[in-house]
Amino acid sequence: AQTVTQSQPEMSVQEAETVTLSCTYDTSESDYYLFWYKQPPSRQMILVIRQEAYKQQNATENRFSVNFQKAAKSFSLKISDSQLGDAAMYFCAYPFGNEKLTFGTGTRLTIIP
Amino acid sequence: DTGVSQDPRHKITKRGQNVTFRCDPISEHNRLYWYRQTLGQGPEFLTYFQNEAQLEKSRLLSDRFSAERPKGSFSTLEIQRTEQGDSAMYLCASSLQRGSQYFGPGTRLLVL
Repeated sequence: AQTVTQSQPEMSVQEAETVTLSCTYDTSESDYYLFWYKQPPSRQMILVIRQEAYKQQNATENRFSVNFQKAAKSFSLKISDSQLGDAAMYFCAYPFGNEKLTFGTGTRLTIIP
Repeated sequence: DTGVSQDPRHKITKRGQNVTFRCDPISEHNRLYWYRQTLGQGPEFLTYFQNEAQLEKSRLLSDRFSAERPKGSFSTLEIQRTEQGDSAMYLCASSLQRGSQYFGPGTRLLVL
């Protein structure tokens, strides 16, 4: 089965704290990418971060970083120094066949001031 | 680079009517994707193009749906004889080769 699973429907974090969002996936492919997207309320989907499976180093983009565990098929997103503007739905996505994205069900992140 | 644009942003129609949506990708991107997103769910793949060629269509794309990308530039998605179940957000994304996909703001369709 080709699936992407996000087991946390909702998460909350205090402003300036760190939060980790979980994602697991199932694939038989060996070379692929993984993505995290952010979708603020009533706004468009924004690419947060991308990880290449062949790279052992975890991707980092400013306050956003991933913990990629290829053998475990796990791809979590860590947000450091959380800000009010980080409040959004976060989707993990896998491009099956390196083409069509399959998304998880999303995690709604709330930032507590 | 103005990003991916979609038009219209909102569409309300009556059941049975035809609707057409347009997507303009990032100018140098040769791949264009359509997704559908219902409330509370992640987007689901519908179809994609490489240049003007439509390479894959999801089983979600019934015979009432058709997509085109003439000249490999903008794309249109048409829904004929709309049904209430077609109400959703229709998202367009583009990429360069097999790179990261960048999304437009979407067209929200409501079928009454």
